[in-house]
Amino acid sequence: DIVLTQSPGTLSSSPGETATLSCRASQYVSAVYLAWYQQKPGQAPRLLIYGSSVRPAGVPARFRGSGSGTDFSLTITRLEPEDFAVYYCQHHEDAPYTFGQGTRLEI
Amino acid sequence: EVQLVQSGAGVKPPGATVKISCKTSGYTFTDYYIHWVRQAPGKGLEWVGLIYPGHGERKYAEKFQGRLTISAETSTDTAFMELTTLRFEDTAVYYCATPHSSSWPFDYWGQGALVTVSS
Repeated sequence: DIVLTQSPGTLSSSPGETATLSCRASQYVSAVYLAWYQQKPGQAPRLLIYGSSVRPAGVPARFRGSGSGTDFSLTITRLEPEDFAVYYCQHHEDAPYTFGQGTRLEI
Repeated sequence: EVQLVQSGAGVKPPGATVKISCKTSGYTFTDYYIHWVRQAPGKGLEWVGLIYPGHGERKYAEKFQGRLTISAETSTDTAFMELTTLRFEDTAVYYCATPHSSSWPFDYWGQGALVTVSS
């Protein structure tokens, strides 16, 4: 099974700053099948990025995904107060569709 | 508008069975997978299993083999997740989700159903 390791576990930033979150896979993951989700307390996860860098409709351009092979990242520029949440990466090619353990982005 | 509405949450004793439903609307139920994901209190996301209602394909995470049954009722556009022999560590919010974008990330999610295993 593919293991996804996210770092850091917690990231402290301030509104207006840029945050970079990392996701490292234990083996090759096609960039086509790497997604990022945002989760706020009491809510279901929300899809932010899929295919490593594709933003679904409605996701602001300040969220940018990149990477390939085993190393992927999510960069959030000009942080807004509503961006402080937990972020998960996931590979979605085939079962088991593992998630990373999450990065908490805190103010 | 795609919607997934879950029901079946509650408190169950150890050893019991829970069955959670995921009622879908806004799309053709038989054309897309339904996945189940769970989240223990304060923990991360864990993929549980999937079903393709169109032809009944099922896949389960290995740790749930033998205790998990995922099914789909095409007459009501509803998916179900049944977990037997509940353990304390099965306490979690259980989500259903359906991928619609190309490459099949989990675009749409239900609101979640909290299952608490307690004696």
